[in-house]
Amino acid sequence: NAGVTQTPKFQVLKTGQSMTLQCAQDMNHNSMYWYRQDPGMGLRLIYYSASEGTTDKGEVPNGYNVSRLNKREFSLRLESAAPSQTSVYFCASSEKFGGASYEQYFGPGTRLTVT
Amino acid sequence: RKEVEQDPGPFNVPEGATVAFNCTYSNSASQSFFWYRQDCRKEPKLLMSVYSSGNEDGRFTAQLNRASQYISLLIRDSKLSDSATYLCVVPSGGYQKVTFGIGTKLQVIP
Repeated sequence: NAGVTQTPKFQVLKTGQSMTLQCAQDMNHNSMYWYRQDPGMGLRLIYYSASEGTTDKGEVPNGYNVSRLNKREFSLRLESAAPSQTSVYFCASSEKFGGASYEQYFGPGTRLTVT
Repeated sequence: RKEVEQDPGPFNVPEGATVAFNCTYSNSASQSFFWYRQDCRKEPKLLMSVYSSGNEDGRFTAQLNRASQYISLLIRDSKLSDSATYLCVVPSGGYQKVTFGIGTKLQVIP
């Protein structure tokens, strides 16, 4: 039982390049999330998918797109990377959607640097 | 007032000490909360949830003060392995989403 896995673990991009961060969970969870974590800012929600087939914007969606490929997989795409997107990205999942009720399980993170 | 506020620390305490952190929140309608633990360069993991009656798990006690709108985390008999950042998590947006605090860093020293 791997839990939540993310690839890649590290990535360096040049400004303007694109990339997709992959996330998969094997816990049969309905809801999945993408966060970024910056020093002094805490975790901020980029996008979430309350259930398979739905996606919604979070607090900081600009510059990102997501795809809920199936129940297991939720990817995050940077179409044209900018230095402001340098951050640590975490994918998370929860049994159901409802922040007050359901524990979120996090992947190990992707450390992205945009030069 | 920010939705969730935490003192970033660091709190440097000797082994065996008792330490407490607070987390204040602005949404008076929030009813349940979480504390997550995040080790350096690792992902956050749930430590404990906090409801109106508080919660205790071994050396860890979480309390809710609804009147003053803060939650607290008390760690007794601190161990070196307790060194981590502790994130406060509060429901927002009609309980459908959560807001993470910036975290309080704890360093337990021998």
